[in-house]
Amino acid sequence: TQLLEQSPQFLSIQEGENLTVYCNSSSVFSSLQWYRQEPGEGPVLLVTVVTGGEVKKLKRLTFQFGDARKDSSLHITAAQPGDTGLYLCAGEGAGNKLTFGGGTRVLVKP
Amino acid sequence: DTGVSQDPRHKITKRGQNVTFRCDPISEHNRLYWYRQTLGQGPEFLTYFQNEAQLEKSRLLSDRFSAERPKGSFSTLEIQRTEQGDSAMYLCAGGRGQLNTEAFFGQGTRLTVV
Repeated sequence: TQLLEQSPQFLSIQEGENLTVYCNSSSVFSSLQWYRQEPGEGPVLLVTVVTGGEVKKLKRLTFQFGDARKDSSLHITAAQPGDTGLYLCAGEGAGNKLTFGGGTRVLVKP
Repeated sequence: DTGVSQDPRHKITKRGQNVTFRCDPISEHNRLYWYRQTLGQGPEFLTYFQNEAQLEKSRLLSDRFSAERPKGSFSTLEIQRTEQGDSAMYLCAGGRGQLNTEAFFGQGTRLTVV
């Protein structure tokens, strides 16, 4: 069974601060995706990383895939209240199936 | 807007009753997934369709759960003889292509079993 562990589980910061969320596994994934979910809604895809060592930037968000394709990180620069939400990483395993981590709840206070 | 709609958004049912949820992806979504999410947790895989074929079903899914995708378009998820432990958000997601696993989620159906 492929498991993804996210840390921290909860992060509370002030507007303007930076934050990093980690996603770790002992398994290798073909690709890894990051989603953001707001209360009462479904997850929304942010990015997909495929190549080991890959770095992708989406405005103030920077995503990195580990060289061994077992881990990933999401870094937010100058966080804003609109960044508040549940951040989920999901790894692509066998059979076109996504395995999700437990999520990191981020609260950005104004 | 991902184009994936789920109905109903909320469902309250008594223990022992059967419930059915519907998911309507866009026509380009040849792949369709059902996930279950409990409070404070990430989504848990339930089952996966490629067009009308159900290719995988989680071992965690009891015989009380069944899903269909007739004609490869909309999908239904039925839970028979509901239990309180079935209370969760049920998420449907669509995807395009054979090799791509990017998933576009609907807003989910929140089930409460009382």
